[in-house]
Amino acid sequence: SQKIEQNSEALNIQEGKTATLTCNYTNYSPAYLQWYRQDPGRGPVFLLLIRENEKEKRKERLKVTFDTTLKQSLFHITASQPADSATYLCALRNAGNMLTFGGGTRLMVKP
Amino acid sequence: GAGVSQSPSNKVTEKGKDVELRCDPISGHTALYWYRQSLGQGLEFLIYFQGNSAPDKSGLPSDRFSAERTGGSVSTLTIQRTQQEDSAVYLCASSLSGRTYSGNTIYFGEGSWLTVV
Repeated sequence: SQKIEQNSEALNIQEGKTATLTCNYTNYSPAYLQWYRQDPGRGPVFLLLIRENEKEKRKERLKVTFDTTLKQSLFHITASQPADSATYLCALRNAGNMLTFGGGTRLMVKP
Repeated sequence: GAGVSQSPSNKVTEKGKDVELRCDPISGHTALYWYRQSLGQGLEFLIYFQGNSAPDKSGLPSDRFSAERTGGSVSTLTIQRTQQEDSAVYLCASSLSGRTYSGNTIYFGEGSWLTVV
């Protein structure tokens, strides 16, 4: 069966450090992978999309890698700030065209 | 509107009652999605509309759940005979196109918080 796995345990890091979140998937052949941010009580907000033929994508302090051999995407936030504290979700589109989300990883950046 | 609009933002209902949740997508977006998120959980896909195609209802948890999209725009999610396990946030999202390789960003509303007592 298709699965998208993210670490369900919260990631706690110190301000200024780089946060790295992992998204692993099985039984997908995605054309692209997306990352979203969700704050408590809010809907998810799109951050980045990376296509299957792209190894790395950057946007300001964010960097996403996509390894289709390992079936894994890594999401990095450099020079992390307390305002980066949120839940981060990865998402893939399945054969039925719907966007399926991982369970998300909560990031806590401590000052 | 500028974003995806959902109403009501909060709804408390008695077990056994029917509820209707409304979603007004971004103008021009042909794809519309409904997801459900229980407290502390990930997003659970419910239903997906793409243009005039038949909707993908594969995520609806039971026949008490139904959704329609009128005129290719506004959508209503209906839950009949609500149960306590239906308590969750119901999130609507839309995108320009839902086609597999379009890569279009999907934009979420702020959700409708449903509590069944």
